[in-house]
This record gives sequence, structure tokens and C-alpha cells, in this order.
Amino acid sequence: DSGVTQTPKHLITATGQRVTLRCSPRSGDLSVYWYQQSLDQGLQFLIQYYNGEERAKGNILERFSAQQFPDLHSELNLSSLELGDSALYFCASSLGQGKSYEQYFGPGTRLTVT
Amino acid sequence: AQSVTQPDIHITVSEGASLELRCNYSYGATPYLFWYVQSPGQGLQLLLKYFSGDTLVQGIKGFEAEFKRSQSSFNLRKPSVHWSDAAEYFCAVGARETSGSRLTFGEGTQLTVNP
Repeated sequence: DSGVTQTPKHLITATGQRVTLRCSPRSGDLSVYWYQQSLDQGLQFLIQYYNGEERAKGNILERFSAQQFPDLHSELNLSSLELGDSALYFCASSLGQGKSYEQYFGPGTRLTVT
Repeated sequence: AQSVTQPDIHITVSEGASLELRCNYSYGATPYLFWYVQSPGQGLQLLLKYFSGDTLVQGIKGFEAEFKRSQSSFNLRKPSVHWSDAAEYFCAVGARETSGSRLTFGEGTQLTVNP
């Protein structure tokens, strides 16, 4: 158990809908990262927040947005869902914001868009 | 831009045999390198990391990895594989992004262990 929690574990929804994925980082960690894992794209970095502020952005679609709240939990919002958004979404956390800090991953949320 | 290549998509070994998983990276600055393992239906677990210093690093579950700058490699090894090691293994490089950071992952190597 990494100490990072993600809810829900599974999510099934229809195209065009909007969903929210939630992540709670390990106690004491200030950075939260979101990654998408799919069969065709592999593990892709989406976005990073540090202490409530966006710090780095990857290949995140405009339909996707995220935020980190004062209690440091984070939410990833996916809207206008398409079949291709079906994937495993991971949240990770680290103590700091730099590249030297190891990231600890949650169990993931499996999103299925039908 | 940084990149990671894991040349072997799938490796099969017998239980008790030695294991080496290959990883090559491309990164302009000092690399911060990681190996993660993902069991079916699970998240990614950190096996080990290399930041600097000794080029042979020890990790959990009896794994070790050797950093070779001249070959841009960071191969993962285990002297004797157990059936419970069957999983997918990912090599990653930590990269600086403006005011933050990211991990860039390889494609992964699926390990099958035969009894």
C-alpha cells in the first residue's frame, strides 16, 4: 500500500458524459501527478500540482482539467467523454516538486466509456 | 525531449533463473532513473531509483539495477526469479518541466515466470 488513495476504483459511463476522479496523496506529500495508461499510448503524464498550484503540464486534452485543493487532495475532471478516453488513470504523489523526488502511485481508476 | 526505451516487450524465464530487463534512456541532463512494477489490477510500485553516486543500486524484492552512463542504460537484474515476480516492469526517467517535473515511462516489459 503506497498510501495514495483513488476513488472510484471503476467507472463506467457513456460518451459525452463528464466524470470526476479523486485522489488523496500520501500524508505529507505536497505534489500530485496524474497519468493515463492505455494500450495504445502506454503511460502518459497529464499534469502536476504542487501545494495547490499547477506546475507541469503534459499531453492533457482541453476536455480534461484538474485541481488541487487546500487539503491537498486532487480531482481530475474529464468531460465530453469519447470512447478513446477509456483507460486507467493513476494519481501519484511526492514530497517535493522536482525530478529527484520519487513518486508513489495509487491503485488507479479504470474508466470505461461506452 | 527525454525518452525511455525498453527493447523487450515480453520475457519468459523459469523460476530460479536469473533475470535482466533492459532499459535505455535519452535525457540531456543528469538523469534520475526509476524502475516500477505493476501487477495485474494494481498500481505501480517503486522498485528502486538512481539519483547519483554508486552506479549499482539495490531495491526491494531482491532487485538491483546498474546505471551505465556510457551506454545510456539502466538495466534491472535479479539473481533468482520467483513466481511472484511475474508482472509488468516499467523503466522511467524523471525530467524537469518548467517549474515542476514528470516521469517519462518506457513501454514496459511483461515478465512471465514458468514453474
